[in-house]
Amino acid sequence: GQQLNQSPQSMFIQEGEDVSMNCTSSSIFNTWLWYKQEPGEGPVLLIALYKAGELTSNGRLTAQFGITRKDSFLNISASIPSDVGIYFCAGYNNAGNMLTFGGGTRLMVKP
Amino acid sequence: GAVVSQHPSRVICKSGTSVKIECRSLDFQATTMFWYRQFPKQSLMLMATSNEGSKATYEQGVEKDKFLINHASLTLSTLTVTSAHPEDSSFYICSAAGQGFYGYTFGSGTRLTVV
Repeated sequence: GQQLNQSPQSMFIQEGEDVSMNCTSSSIFNTWLWYKQEPGEGPVLLIALYKAGELTSNGRLTAQFGITRKDSFLNISASIPSDVGIYFCAGYNNAGNMLTFGGGTRLMVKP
Repeated sequence: GAVVSQHPSRVICKSGTSVKIECRSLDFQATTMFWYRQFPKQSLMLMATSNEGSKATYEQGVEKDKFLINHASLTLSTLTVTSAHPEDSSFYICSAAGQGFYGYTFGSGTRLTVV
């Protein structure tokens, strides 16, 4: 199906650094979601955003639902080695009752 | 809450045989279940959507006769890869949604290798 534009595709950072990734779409979504996937596992939900402009935190993670409802970003502060994985954004539209996924951001953290 | 169990986690089968993958919602009733396929270093590709008690809706390019989906109850959906070939080797993931919207909980995935 259709994909969201997620960037960057990969990041290789030093432990302790902050990380930022984002997703943009040509379509409006009612809900934005951020997932993390580790090797050999299914994606795990990190943050769900339900309202345009909403800014939500989950520990060191912060995500925002863009005002236009066509974009979202995820920030990770003070990265640690266990943050390694692939992060996916996903948009949900009530009309379609399905998720549209971004291409993923592969995060690698150097101790 | 909102736990989805997927089995098996990995399976190796011979070319020409069929493989069944199960997806169960353990603590909620899943009105809709989704099946995805994921190639290495790529995003999740939706294969089909199934609603309990009705036929699955397949995405364009996904062969219905090859990937049989059954959603017979509100807690169980199965994906059967029929007459598997090496090109069917992939990571298959299910997800489930209940009444309202619960962020679509994913199973842990099934690594299928066809030899």
